[in-house]
Amino acid sequence: DVKVTQSSRYLVKRTGEKVFLECVQDMDHENMFWYRQDPGLGLRLIYFSYDVKMKEKGDIPEGYSVSREKKERFSLILESASTNQTSMYLCASSLSLQETQYFGPGTRLLVL
Amino acid sequence: EDQVTQSPEALRLQEGESSSLNCSYTVSGLRGLFWYRQDPGKGPEFLFTLYSAGEEKEKERLKATLTKKESFLHITAPKPEDSATYLCAVLNSGNTPLVFGKGTRLSVIA
Repeated sequence: DVKVTQSSRYLVKRTGEKVFLECVQDMDHENMFWYRQDPGLGLRLIYFSYDVKMKEKGDIPEGYSVSREKKERFSLILESASTNQTSMYLCASSLSLQETQYFGPGTRLLVL
Repeated sequence: EDQVTQSPEALRLQEGESSSLNCSYTVSGLRGLFWYRQDPGKGPEFLFTLYSAGEEKEKERLKATLTKKESFLHITAPKPEDSATYLCAVLNSGNTPLVFGKGTRLSVIA
């Protein structure tokens, strides 16, 4: 069965802190994605990765970076968290860009 | 630029009252159209993929259809447990990720 896990369901951080969100998939998928989801704005793609150590910017990469050192793990990094990064963060993976994306449960991040 | 528009934004139905959700799209060469269900506070759950106009897929009370410009998610005799946000996404012929619509929030009242 398809399984995407995210390190935290809820996270509270202070402005200026460095924040790490981790995502792990056990399906040997090539592609992994990070989205944020906000009311009225839908899902917005932050970054995606199509291979280990490879990354591509999505629609809203500013203020974020990513790391993919192993195939199964994709990390989203907020270098200096700001209140406008308070959001629901969703990780997904797919066998290829043309295949179905499978999502994790999400991390709700609150930046104070 | 690929675009996906879902309507209505929100829909409230009585239990048993059938209806349809719409997903209209403009895309440079459609490779696939995806439907997801998302419960509050959770990640989207994959429902269907449609690949060509005229294709239909069913799952329990849900049936998805596809034309050259839009897709419909028909809900027959809905139950309260069908309440969720339904997301539509399209894949174009290039090497780019899915483009998502903003979703339709469905509430089914007993």
